[in-house]
Amino acid sequence: DQQVKQNSPSLSVQEGRISILNCDYTNSMFDYFLWYKKYPAEGPTFLISISSIKDKNEDGRFTVFLNKSAKHLSLHIVPSQPGDSAVYFCAARSQAAGNKLTFGGGTRVLVKP
Amino acid sequence: NAGVTQTPKFRILKIGQSMTLQCTQDMNHNYMYWYRQDPGMGLKLIYYSVGAGITDKGEVPNGYNVSRSTTEDFPLRLELAAPSQTSVYFCASSYPGTGGSAFFGQGTRLTVV
Repeated sequence: DQQVKQNSPSLSVQEGRISILNCDYTNSMFDYFLWYKKYPAEGPTFLISISSIKDKNEDGRFTVFLNKSAKHLSLHIVPSQPGDSAVYFCAARSQAAGNKLTFGGGTRVLVKP
Repeated sequence: NAGVTQTPKFRILKIGQSMTLQCTQDMNHNYMYWYRQDPGMGLKLIYYSVGAGITDKGEVPNGYNVSRSTTEDFPLRLELAAPSQTSVYFCASSYPGTGGSAFFGQGTRLTVV
């Protein structure tokens, strides 16, 4: 039973346009949601997070939106740049469960020049 | 500042062999984790530790063992390697209260033949 799902395995977008990545979850106990970026042959790197008590968090070109009632979050990248081409993982954690992160399957983003 | 360091980066094992994946962090993080990532999939938690001397199972612990004798080190032991353990292994660490944002090592690519 996948508690965190990313239903789009891949996304292709033109440089300068918006990339929107989606993530759904089932566990109401999750209290923090995170996005990680991963390049080939490297470990995931933290990108941005949002607490379950907020509905939006912004950091430069990256904005994460949380819709608790729908158990859905999204990552917006504006404007997309070729260096953003990577695999993006959505993750969620419950502090009561020892900060363990539960990951989605990832979305591969390709930004075309 | 090294962060999380994993060794080795690559390894080929024969079925039935054993090995230890090493992980060390220099950030004085209490929490440490081992994940595996199979091709095209998200990361699955193998084991985690909330401090020296304390370890617990994650989602996919079978065939693995861990120990946490110091804050810095969290080795993962594979006994009797099987082809199903062919994967990329990531070690990570975090503070308890940082919203769950964990720092990852570069990974160990393991092939069991």
